[in-house]
Order: sequence, then structure tokens, then C-alpha cells
Amino acid sequence: AQSVAQPEDQVNVAEGNPLTVKCTYSVSGNPYLFWYVQYPNRGLQFLLKYITGDNLVKGSYGFEAEFNKSQTSFHLKKPSALVSDSALYFCAVRELSSASKIIFGSGTRLSIRP
Amino acid sequence: SQTIHQWPATLVQPVGSPLSLECTVEGTSNPNLYWYRQAAGRGLQLLFYSVGIGQISSEVPQNLSASRPQDRQFILSSKKLLLSDSGFYLCAWTKPDRTNTEAFFGQGTRLTVV
Repeated sequence: AQSVAQPEDQVNVAEGNPLTVKCTYSVSGNPYLFWYVQYPNRGLQFLLKYITGDNLVKGSYGFEAEFNKSQTSFHLKKPSALVSDSALYFCAVRELSSASKIIFGSGTRLSIRP
Repeated sequence: SQTIHQWPATLVQPVGSPLSLECTVEGTSNPNLYWYRQAAGRGLQLLFYSVGIGQISSEVPQNLSASRPQDRQFILSSKKLLLSDSGFYLCAWTKPDRTNTEAFFGQGTRLTVV
């Protein structure tokens, strides 16, 4: 069965510093990986996805993520954090053998201090 | 363009009362539809997903049921609510037969069972 792990409940970063939010996954086939952001009392907004090709994926709001097949990881990164990046971030996985099911991680709360 | 509507935005229901949450998608045909529950602002738990009218897959046995009476309508129901049913319910859709596409979320329903 597919699964996603986000090992950090919270990540604290100073504004202007780089940030990383970690994600590891487990699937039996080729993974399709996604990152979403959630602001309070709102639905999830799509940030970026990895399907195939270049291991470094660029997305919305200056975020990027690096796919590492050997480490089964898909960490979210940003070179310079903004206070407005503070939110809840979710990693998700989908696999071809279970075509319609999308499984989310437990979420990581990102806090950017001025 | 495609849009997803979810209502109501907030709901307070007594224990033992019935529940009906509705989700509709516009601008696409035969979408995959999903119901997730988010407890205490944390991880998303997949409750149900549907790949077509009348086709419902249940992920977690519980006090809830789902139905898809029309192509773009997905309903989450309960005959008798429990306190533990409180949470933030999110509906989502993806394009049909395309496992490499992201999910689009509604704005969610905050359910409080009292």
C-alpha cells in the first residue's frame, strides 16, 4: 500500500533563510508526487508535482522540490523564505497501480519569523 | 474552467442527528471525486473516492457513507452523527483516467458535533 511520511510536525525558519520541508514515500510502482499548501480554514492549494523527467521540479510562489528515487524522498525547498509562506504543507502520493487513490502525509507546519 | 463547490462552509449538529454534505464540480466530465477528513488542523484522511456514478470506494470503515447520484455530484452522509465525526471535511476532484494530475480541493466544511 502506498504511504507518505512527513517526519517534522513543525519547521521554524527566519525570513530570508532557505527552507526545507521533508517528505518520504512508499509505493509499489512509479510514484506521482505532489505538494500542497493550506492556509487556516481553507482547502488545499496545489504547489507542484513530480511525474517524470528532471528530478528538480519548480512550482508556485518560488517553491521547488527534489525527487530522489534512491532515498524515496521528495523534499520541498525554497531559497529565501517569506513570512507569508507560513502555513501547513502536505506531501501526497499517487501510484499507477492504484490509479485513483491519493494519499496525504500528516502535514508540516511551517513558521517563518520576521 | 473547472470549479468545485462545497457546502455548507460550517455546520453545527447534535449527536445522533443525520448529516448531508454536498460537493459539485463544474466544467469537467467524469471526474474522480474524493472526500477527506482533517482532524485538528493536521493530516488528511481519505474517506471515500469515486471513479464514476454509483461507484464508491471506502477507505475507512466508520459512521459515514458516500454517494454519487450524478456525474459531478458527491455526497457525504451519516444517519447518526457521533462526537468523533467532528472535523474539517474536504472534497476534491481529479481529471479522469489521468493518474499524473493533481487534485483540486473545495473550501471545506467545518463540522462540529455537539
